[in-house]
Amino acid sequence: QVQLQESGPGLVKPSETLSLTCTVSGGSVSNGSYYWSWIRQPPGKGLEWIGYIYYRGRTHYNPSLKSRVTISVDTSKNQFSLNLSSVTAADTAVYYCARVPIVVILDYYFDNWGQGTLVTVSS
Amino acid sequence: SYELTQPPSVSVSPGQTASITCSGDKLGDKFVSWYQQKPGQSPVLVISQDTKRPSEIPERFSGSNSGNTGTLTIAGTQAMDEADYYCQAWDSSTAVFGGGTKLTVL
Repeated sequence: QVQLQESGPGLVKPSETLSLTCTVSGGSVSNGSYYWSWIRQPPGKGLEWIGYIYYRGRTHYNPSLKSRVTISVDTSKNQFSLNLSSVTAADTAVYYCARVPIVVILDYYFDNWGQGTLVTVSS
Repeated sequence: SYELTQPPSVSVSPGQTASITCSGDKLGDKFVSWYQQKPGQSPVLVISQDTKRPSEIPERFSGSNSGNTGTLTIAGTQAMDEADYYCQAWDSSTAVFGGGTKLTVL
C-alpha cells in the first residue's frame, strides 16, 4: 500500500517561497502509471488543485497559480516537491500530495493522499 | 473557468438513501470523481470515472453522471458516513473541485 507524507515549514513569511516535499513509500515515483500531484485546502474551505508531475519531469499546473508554482521530482529519493513563490495570507492552507493513476486521458483522479500539512503565511 | 456546484448541506436519516448532486455545464460529457473527507482527515476517493468504486469502499456508495448533473448516492446511510463530500472533474486540462457538501446523518 503506497503512502505519501508531506514535510516542510509550517510558517512562511509573506513574499517568501513556500517549499514542501512529499515522500513516497510502498511505491515508486518512477512508476510510469502515475502522475504525482499537489492539492491545497484553505482552513474551512474547499479543495484547489495546484499541479502534477510525471517522473520524467513533465509538469502541468493550475493556470491560476502557474506563474508562481514549480513542481519537481527526485527519483533517487522517491520524492517530489512544491515551490510556491511570492506567498500571501491567501496561500495559508493545508497542502496535500496525492497520487494520480494514468488510466484515461483527461480523466484523472486522486487515489491516494498524504495526511496533509498546514502552512501558515504570516510575518 | 469551469465551475462545479454542490449543495452546501444534505441531511439524511440513518438507513435511508442520501443523494448528493454536482452540477456543471455538460458535465455528462466528462468523468466525475467523488471524495469523502471527515474532520481533520485527508480526502478519500469513494467513486472514480462516474461509477467505479475502489475495492475498500462499501457497496452502499454508487455514482452516476448524465446531462449537467453527477450524483453520489449512499444507500442505507450509516452514522460513519457523516462527512464532507467533494466532486471533481477535468476541464481544459485543469482539475476542478466542487465546493463540497456536508452530509449530516440524523
